[in-house]
Amino acid sequence: QAQLVQSGAEVKKPGSSVTVSCEASGGTLNTYGINWVRQAPGQGLEWMGGVLPVFGTTNYAQKFRGRVTITADATTNTVYMQLSSLRSEDTAVYYCARAGYCIGGNCISGAFDIWGQGTMVTISS
Amino acid sequence: EIVLTQSPGTLSLSPGESATLSCRASQSVDRNYLTWYQQKPGQAPRLLIYGASNRATGIPDRFSGSQSGTDFTLTISRLEPEDFAVYYCQQHGNSLTFGGGTTVEIK
Repeated sequence: QAQLVQSGAEVKKPGSSVTVSCEASGGTLNTYGINWVRQAPGQGLEWMGGVLPVFGTTNYAQKFRGRVTITADATTNTVYMQLSSLRSEDTAVYYCARAGYCIGGNCISGAFDIWGQGTMVTISS
Repeated sequence: EIVLTQSPGTLSLSPGESATLSCRASQSVDRNYLTWYQQKPGQAPRLLIYGASNRATGIPDRFSGSQSGTDFTLTISRLEPEDFAVYYCQQHGNSLTFGGGTTVEIK
């Protein structure tokens, strides 16, 4: 059974960057899109973007373009999400999620059938 | 950007009752691109329904989804104690957006 295992909690200062990793165990990443979704405390879900590891293609939400970079390392079955120019509003739990259901195949996004456990990122001076 | 508006914000029901959750899209969404999730406190979301009406693996048949135009509905018949949670709809036909969520709480 495939699982997504994320890196641990982070505390960062405003203006800095954070990188969160997401490793696939029990399977490979290549044929599925991996996306990042965040959730601020007490708030709803917000999609940030995704990558299709087999091609390295990415798609980002307009809100995060220029500030987020999502990459995939096929050799280690790991996807990375880097968010820069951090501000207090970026304090959230960050999830990676697999687009297990999509139309036509080779989709970056879709219905997310497997989720990582979440990584708490706290921005504090 | 397609905005998904979920209603009601909170639904207070008793176990055994049925729940009807609404997700209205600001513009047309192909049913193939509409998804429902369940989230419990401290947990990641769980996929319930994809393609508007297809139950994901292991999801009980008391969960069902339907569509009428730009309105999508998640119905939970005979609420079980474990069904009290927050439910989100999501579309990925035009970029990707989530609705604001509906909380189903115990009355």
